[in-house]
Amino acid sequence: AQSVSQHNHHVILSEAASLELGCNYSYGGTVNLFWYVQYPGQHLQLLLKYFSGDPLVKGIKGFEAEFIKSKFSFNLRKPSVQWSDTAEYFCAVNAQGSYIPTFGRGTSLIVHP
Amino acid sequence: EPEVTQTPSHQVTQMGQEVILRCVPISNHLYFYWYRQILGQKVEFLVSFYNNEISEKSEIFDDQFSVERPDGSNFTLKIRSTKLEDSAMYFCATQISLLNTGELFFGEGSRLTVL
Repeated sequence: AQSVSQHNHHVILSEAASLELGCNYSYGGTVNLFWYVQYPGQHLQLLLKYFSGDPLVKGIKGFEAEFIKSKFSFNLRKPSVQWSDTAEYFCAVNAQGSYIPTFGRGTSLIVHP
Repeated sequence: EPEVTQTPSHQVTQMGQEVILRCVPISNHLYFYWYRQILGQKVEFLVSFYNNEISEKSEIFDDQFSVERPDGSNFTLKIRSTKLEDSAMYFCATQISLLNTGELFFGEGSRLTVL
């Protein structure tokens, strides 16, 4: 069974700082990878996804993530964060052949204006 | 944009009481899920539902849990006799088809507090 680790549980940044949130998974086969975001008081929504192809994936609101297969990682990045990026970020992994994604525990990001 | 809606947003109950959490999935979606997140812990899979039956369930989903889609719209999670450790945020999610495997649409969650 797959598992997902998000090592940063709480991140606090100032506006314009760069962001990188770590995500590692354990599964030896082919995976689909996701980052979801939950803004305060809202539902989880998809930020970006990787199924195949270019391992550098661009999502909404300037976010991107890079799949590094050799490191079993799918880190989320944004070069310059904004106050409105304050949210909970969840990494999720879905093994090929499964339709049930496994989530990490989430990273709480607070961006100070 | 179509949404998954969940009710109630917050429920407080006494230990041993039955709780029903409701979800209205997006109308053309075929796969339904319940996840939960205990405060500070991972978002955990509970159960998936397709074609009016459970397709997968985790070890958390024991006999005190049940799901059904009684009227073709609501998708409910019932906890028969709540325990303190059931306190969590419960998320309903839907998936349009297996072609978008793993891409889920979530409701805003129902926070359950068991006293």
